Amino acid sequence: QKEVEQDPGPLSVPEGAIVSLNCTYSNSAFQYFMWYRQYSRKGPELLMYTYSSGNKEDGRFTAQVDKSSKYISLFIRDSQPSDSATYLCAMTLGGTNAGKSTFGDGTTLTVKP
Amino acid sequence: NAGVTQTPKFQVLKTGQSMTLQCAQDMNHEYMSWYRQDPGMGLRLIHYSVGAGITDQGEVPNGYNVSRSTTEDFPLRLLSAAPSQTSVYFCASGAGAEKLFFGSGTQLSVL
Repeated sequence: QKEVEQDPGPLSVPEGAIVSLNCTYSNSAFQYFMWYRQYSRKGPELLMYTYSSGNKEDGRFTAQVDKSSKYISLFIRDSQPSDSATYLCAMTLGGTNAGKSTFGDGTTLTVKP
Repeated sequence: NAGVTQTPKFQVLKTGQSMTLQCAQDMNHEYMSWYRQDPGMGLRLIHYSVGAGITDQGEVPNGYNVSRSTTEDFPLRLLSAAPSQTSVYFCASGAGAEKLFFGSGTQLSVL
């Protein structure tokens, strides 16, 4: 079983829809939780990161972490065609293993005009 | 501001050949890492470094070597290329592993 499981998708939504992207994890030692966006043939770019349970908002994006359920989500409000990309969740350990990160397999989102 | 620069962008190798993928960053980040991304999959950590002279293995280190002699550079060496190493390789840097800046990738094919 993978340490990080991401809803596989793909997702296709109309412009303006609310999008929910989700990951579950098995290692309770993960301390940092990130979401990256990757456009086709490009490197990933960091959207949001958080280290505590709860919500963190940045414009149209909200990252949610529930450590008790080992579940993280990314919500996109008022989705735009420019949001069409692959979204990757990622997590890192702390302490002496702080350099090791684990990524989900990604969810490809298409927002149709 | 160049960020993270990877070269080459594309490379074709024959089985058994060796090569070095170059990675340089100009943000004075202590942390650098190498990932591979296979079709339909996320990124898997190959090696990482938390500072000059310090490297450690990630999830899939076999067949790859790294060294970190300066803060700016973190080359990845393929010792004897195998078809299983056909992938897209990404270099990343950051103040820590939680906020990474990625390069544009190197697409490698091993025949």
